[in-house]
Amino acid sequence: GENVEQHPSTLSVQEGDSAVIKCTYSDSASNYFPWYKQELGKRPQLIIDIRSNVGEKKDQRIAVTLNKTAKHFSLHITETQPEDSAVYFCAASTGNQFYFGTGTSLTVIP
Amino acid sequence: DARVTQTPRHKVTEMGQEVTMRCQPILGHNTVFWYRQTMMQGLELLAYFRNRAPLDDSGMPKDRFSAEMPDATLATLKIQPSEPRDSAVYFCASGRPGTSGVYNEQFFGPGTRLTVL
Repeated sequence: GENVEQHPSTLSVQEGDSAVIKCTYSDSASNYFPWYKQELGKRPQLIIDIRSNVGEKKDQRIAVTLNKTAKHFSLHITETQPEDSAVYFCAASTGNQFYFGTGTSLTVIP
Repeated sequence: DARVTQTPRHKVTEMGQEVTMRCQPILGHNTVFWYRQTMMQGLELLAYFRNRAPLDDSGMPKDRFSAEMPDATLATLKIQPSEPRDSAVYFCASGRPGTSGVYNEQFFGPGTRLTVL
């Protein structure tokens, strides 16, 4: 089955700096890659996703890149703000079930 | 703003008791997932359904866990008998194929925080 690895597990950045979280996957059949943000005590919420026919997608301060050949995808957050502090999960899907990374705890220091 | 709902939000029970968690997927979503989240294991898929039929429940301990979809608006997850190691947050998520018919988006409910004493 699919195996998704996520790094780093924790990340601290100064407010205004950029944050990058990286994930790798193993199943070349995976074709959908969502990213979720989970604040403490809350549900995971979809923040951005990318499909296998696209290399990059951007939504304001958030961008995701996908390298199908290398089987890795990354989340980029620019101009970080304290409210970006949360746990971020990547996932990969073949169109059926989802396989999640182990999460990255991001802390943005004011 | 359609959302997945789950009840109860919190449940404290004693070891050996039956626990039933309920989920109402977003109207029109035909896929329902059950996940368990703990600090140690992260997000684990327990089971998922499409069009009310179970597609995969290999992540679920079969001797004590059961999942069903009595109708398109209700999914249930039962634990009988419950054990302290079942303490976790249980999330339900629902989704539907994307416009291309291939991709599945999923949206999470608020979760049920279960504590088994």
